[in-house]
Amino acid sequence: ELKVEQNPLFLSMQEGKNYTIYCNYSTTSDRLYWYRQDPGKSLESLFVLLSNGAVKQEGRLMASLDTKARLSTLHITAAVHDLSATYFCAVQTSGSRLTFGEGTQLTVNP
Amino acid sequence: GAGVSQSPSNKVTEKGKDVELRCDPISGHTALYWYRQSLGQGLEFLIYFQGNSAPDKSGLPSDRFSAERTGGSVSTLTIQRTQQEDSAVYLCASSLATLMETQYFGPGTRLLVL
Repeated sequence: ELKVEQNPLFLSMQEGKNYTIYCNYSTTSDRLYWYRQDPGKSLESLFVLLSNGAVKQEGRLMASLDTKARLSTLHITAAVHDLSATYFCAVQTSGSRLTFGEGTQLTVNP
Repeated sequence: GAGVSQSPSNKVTEKGKDVELRCDPISGHTALYWYRQSLGQGLEFLIYFQGNSAPDKSGLPSDRFSAERTGGSVSTLTIQRTQQEDSAVYLCASSLATLMETQYFGPGTRLLVL
């Protein structure tokens, strides 16, 4: 059974600081996604990572994938309050379904 | 363009009643997925449809849950004889195809079983 684990589950950081969220998964994957969820809202797609060494960047967020280590990271640079949300990684295998991590609740404080 | 839409946005029901949740996928998307998000279980896959193929029902938690997709578009998730543990947010997603396309999520239906 595929397991996807994120850490930390809760992250409180100050504006301007950097931090990394980690996503480990237990079996070979075809794709890895990062989604953002604001309170009471649905999931917004941030990144899709397709292959080993893939790196994607959008604004203050950068995601990377190491398929050999079965690890993806979401790096936050110079955090701002607007980044406060819950971030999920999700692994997609040949069955097309997504298996999600537990989510990382990020709070960026002024 | 229009995204995935779901209705109702909120549903309160009594234990033992049946409920129907509706999903309208993005136009042209052939794959449709249902997920459930609850405090205790996180985000769980329930079922997916692709075109006219038999749906993958392997994530449905019990035989009280069923889903159908009519005309390759709108889908309905039905929960019979609801239980309190069915309380969750039910999310629908669609994608262009099952071949590893990004899934776009709807706003969800928040179900509360009293």
